[in-house]
Amino acid sequence: GENVEQHPSTLSVQEGDSAVIKCTYSDSASNYFPWYKQELGKRPQLIIDIRSNVGEKKDQRIAVTLNKTAKHFSLHITETQPEDSAVYFCAASRSGRRALTFGSGTRLQVQP
Amino acid sequence: DAGVTQSPTHLIKTRGQQVTLRCSPKSGHDTVSWYQQALGQGPQFIFQYYEEEERQRGNFPDRFSGHQFPNYSSELNVNALLLGDSALYLCASSLAGLADLTYEQYFGPGTRLTVT
Repeated sequence: GENVEQHPSTLSVQEGDSAVIKCTYSDSASNYFPWYKQELGKRPQLIIDIRSNVGEKKDQRIAVTLNKTAKHFSLHITETQPEDSAVYFCAASRSGRRALTFGSGTRLQVQP
Repeated sequence: DAGVTQSPTHLIKTRGQQVTLRCSPKSGHDTVSWYQQALGQGPQFIFQYYEEEERQRGNFPDRFSGHQFPNYSSELNVNALLLGDSALYLCASSLAGLADLTYEQYFGPGTRLTVT
């Protein structure tokens, strides 16, 4: 089955800096890669996703890049703000409507 | 437009007991997936229901079973509870209709199960 590895496990940045979280996947048939943000005690919320026919996608301060050959994808957050502090999970799926395999999470702390 | 709802919010059970968790999908969604999230870890896929049938199953024992009703709501049942079943159980809903346009899975707030 699919295996997703995520790094780093914790990340501390100063407000205004950029943050990068990286994930690798094992199943070459995976074609959908969402990123979820989970604040303490709350549900995971989809913040951005990318499909295998696209190499990069941006949404304001958030961007995701995908390298299918190397089987890795990354989340980039620019101009970080304290409200960006949360746990971020990457995931992979053969189809978004099928099972998501999650990474182990990255705890991002943005220092004011 | 109601999002994904789950009940109960919290639950405390004793080893060996059975538990039933409930999920109502987001309005318009017809597919429900269940995930187990242990403390400090990412969610792990348990199974997915579509058209009242289990469509896909993760690496969980038969003690974990489920059901989907005609109104698309779903239940997760866990028998013979173990201490290791203590976790946050998340339900996610999606729409199985159009192949390339309906990828998003929306999560509910979860049920926190504690087994003592």
